[in-house]
Amino acid sequence: GPKVLQIPSHQIIDMGQMVTLNCDPVSNHLYFYWYKQILGQQMEFLVNFYNGKVMEKSKLFKDQFSVERPDGSYFTLKIQPTALEDSAVYFCASSLGDPNYAEQFFGPGTRLTVL
Amino acid sequence: GEQVEQRPPHLSVREGDSAVITCTYTDPNSYYFFWYKQEPGASLQLLMKVFSSTEINEGQGFTVLLNKKDKRLSLNLTAAHPGDSAAYFCAVSGVNNRIFFGDGTQLVVKP
Repeated sequence: GPKVLQIPSHQIIDMGQMVTLNCDPVSNHLYFYWYKQILGQQMEFLVNFYNGKVMEKSKLFKDQFSVERPDGSYFTLKIQPTALEDSAVYFCASSLGDPNYAEQFFGPGTRLTVL
Repeated sequence: GEQVEQRPPHLSVREGDSAVITCTYTDPNSYYFFWYKQEPGASLQLLMKVFSSTEINEGQGFTVLLNKKDKRLSLNLTAAHPGDSAAYFCAVSGVNNRIFFGDGTQLVVKP
């Protein structure tokens, strides 16, 4: 079936550094999402993105977070600067249609460790 | 905003037994419901998507029930096997372009 890829699978960085998480969504999908999952806890919505714009973001999507998808390339989540509490697995997802009803396809996640 | 509560957080059953996971939600305008399975170290895999007009939904080895009056969604694995061991998440969406996930249930099926 359709696959969402995420690069890298693991990232370890020092607190205060910048990190960019990359997502390669399903090729004809139009909506893109980032979720955060702290170990053993629920998946929490961060942001969704459509037509070059953030549609909605949660309170977890701090000012240090930003997303973009320049020219149909990777959909990226940038954190600058990182904090200890940013350590988590970040899942990217994409869907063909409206988030309310379209199936979201999830990537395998990027495990981010902030030291 | 929407709140989704999922129970139980942990569930252990024997092979061949049934396993029931339940979610309740608060927004009466919610109309799409999802169950995802997450195996250890892997991403979420969609088990079933349910639209609000359908109360009983049959999958392969499981049934999803939706009770809109009580705002309750349940996943019933009819004869669990060890391969069903995973985390299960319900998700609910409505008019606000956002999907809300439950806290997850860690299911262990013992041989």
